[in-house]
Amino acid sequence: SAVISQKPSRDICQRGTSLTIQCQVDSQVTMMFWYRQQPGQSLTLIATANQGSEATYESGFVIDKFPISRPNLTFSTLTVSNMSPEDSSIYLCSVDARNTGELFFGEGSRLTVL
Amino acid sequence: QQQVKQSPQSLIVQKGGISIINCAYENTAFDYFPWYQQFPGKGPALLIAIRPDVSEKKEGRFTISFNKSAKQFSLHIMDSQPGDSATYFCAASIMNNNDMRFGAGTRLTVKP
Repeated sequence: SAVISQKPSRDICQRGTSLTIQCQVDSQVTMMFWYRQQPGQSLTLIATANQGSEATYESGFVIDKFPISRPNLTFSTLTVSNMSPEDSSIYLCSVDARNTGELFFGEGSRLTVL
Repeated sequence: QQQVKQSPQSLIVQKGGISIINCAYENTAFDYFPWYQQFPGKGPALLIAIRPDVSEKKEGRFTISFNKSAKQFSLHIMDSQPGDSATYFCAASIMNNNDMRFGAGTRLTVKP
């Protein structure tokens, strides 16, 4: 399995500000995935982050709102920009550590926007 | 993005009973069907998974039944325990492109 650490675990932010979430994995992985889980809802893929290239965003998500960095094979960041209360969610980092299709998840970053 | 439909939304079962959660998918290219268990404040954790070349997979009290022709699969939890109380998500993906789609989730409560 993979150990995935996310920071911060939770935060309360003001409208209009930006927050960067960090994801650290204990092994090198090719792809890292960022998911959003709105309160009481399912998981929605935001983007896939490959090292050395631009992230690939899903329909409904854009780079200006959710810029992603992937500086190496064990680390990624997701920034939630110009936040509004609708951005209040849990943001989850995920990896396929064994290249089997099995996703491992971090514990998530719970974001509340006032 | 919702390509996997899950039911019921919530489920209450007595201790020792059988919990059954159902999912249906649309994309016939999906070839990997996992179930994830999520406790409050935690990330989802893989519970059990199946590939379409078998119709059933059992691990302890957890069984996946898979019906390829109907494009449906289900999770059965035998002898349900209060510790099984969690939210369960079914998912489906195409193995080589890591594009996993999740169901809406089922909140299971097992009463003692």
